[in-house]
Amino acid sequence: DQQVKQNSPSLSVQEGRISILNCDYTNSMFDYFLWYKKYPAEGPTFLISISSIKDKNEDGRFTVFLNKSAKHLSLHIVPSQPGDSAVYFCAASGINSGNTPLVFGKGTRLSVIA
Amino acid sequence: GAGVSQTPSNKVTEKGKYVELRCDPISGHTALYWYRQSLGQGPEFLIYFQGTGAADDSGLPNDRFFAVRPEGSVSTLKIQRTERGDSAVYLCASSLTPPGGLAYEQYFGPGTRLTVT
Repeated sequence: DQQVKQNSPSLSVQEGRISILNCDYTNSMFDYFLWYKKYPAEGPTFLISISSIKDKNEDGRFTVFLNKSAKHLSLHIVPSQPGDSAVYFCAASGINSGNTPLVFGKGTRLSVIA
Repeated sequence: GAGVSQTPSNKVTEKGKYVELRCDPISGHTALYWYRQSLGQGPEFLIYFQGTGAADDSGLPNDRFFAVRPEGSVSTLKIQRTERGDSAVYLCASSLTPPGGLAYEQYFGPGTRLTVT
């Protein structure tokens, strides 16, 4: 049973518009969430994170929103650029346990069209 | 500074053979993780080291898989009697160990693509 779900396998967005990638989780023990970006033949690259004490974290063009009651988070990219085209993975872990393994979703492939 | 490195980048082996995959973490990172990524899936946890010891090996699929980190830096993932189902990209990640039970982001290497024929 998937504990972290990314229900959209792919998303296409016009350059300059907003990209919204969604992620749902089922384990209420998760309290630290991360987004990773992956290009072909490379390892995942850390993008942005949020702990459960916050509901929003922003870093430049990237903003992550967390809705704990709905067990839902989203990544907003605005404005989207062609270089943002990649697979985006949502991941979760239990912060109170210190370093813990990450549980990943299956990923969403974002294509930003020029 | 240098990121996480993994060797080899690609490994093709025959069913039943033994393979070793190597990971060099970021200098100073005490935590090291191995994940496996199959086609169309996200990375799945295999084993986690804190220093030299395996803090959590609950993700290892069976006893054909083993990993070591003898000096608390480089780690080797060992797979015995490989099977076709072991074909995947094996990813290594490292992170700092912060005080107070907080979590730090994990930094990934490029992975080793293992193909078992």
